[in-house]
Amino acid sequence: QKEVEQDPGPLSVPEGAIVSLNCTYSNSAFQYFMWYRQYSRKGPELLMYTYSSGNKEDGRFTAQVDKSSKYISLFIRDSQPSDSATYLCAMYNTDKLIFGTGTRLQVFP
Amino acid sequence: GAGVSQSPSNKVTEKGKDVELRCDPISGHTALYWYRQSLGQGLEFLIYFQGNSAPDKSGLPSDRFSAERTGGSVSTLTIQRTQQEDSAVYLCASSLEAGGAYEQYFGPGTRLTVT
Repeated sequence: QKEVEQDPGPLSVPEGAIVSLNCTYSNSAFQYFMWYRQYSRKGPELLMYTYSSGNKEDGRFTAQVDKSSKYISLFIRDSQPSDSATYLCAMYNTDKLIFGTGTRLQVFP
Repeated sequence: GAGVSQSPSNKVTEKGKDVELRCDPISGHTALYWYRQSLGQGLEFLIYFQGNSAPDKSGLPSDRFSAERTGGSVSTLTIQRTQQEDSAVYLCASSLEAGGAYEQYFGPGTRLTVT
């Protein structure tokens, strides 16, 4: 079993929809939880990180962490075609990040 | 300011040749990380540096892979006797310090193709 599991998608939604992206993990020692966005043939771009449980909001993006369920989510409100990318969750473990495999999102006009 | 830069952006090499991949981190960032991303896979940790030291090399897949960092800045990842399974995108990231590894910034990657 992988330490971090993420549905690869693809997820296809119409413009303006609310998108929910999720990851589960097995290591209860993880304390920091990150979301990266990766456009085709580009490096991952850090969207936001959350420490421990709770919510964090940044514009149209909201990250949620539920440590009791070992489950994290990223919500995108009012999705735009420019949000079409692969979204990677990552967890911080001592000195490195452990990544999910990424969910490919397509937002169509 | 300038982000993480990597060179070359693309590299095609023949099986058995050696390759060197370069990473230039964000100025002032003391921690540097190398990852590999294969088709359809997530990012796989290879090695990280704090300054010029590499406390964690656990992700290097074989002894054909090595990395060094000089002057606390530029890092080079070397793959000797390349194999077809080495084909992947090699990504470099940096953070202000190792303790801030949750805030890593990535370069654009080097796409390596071994023929």
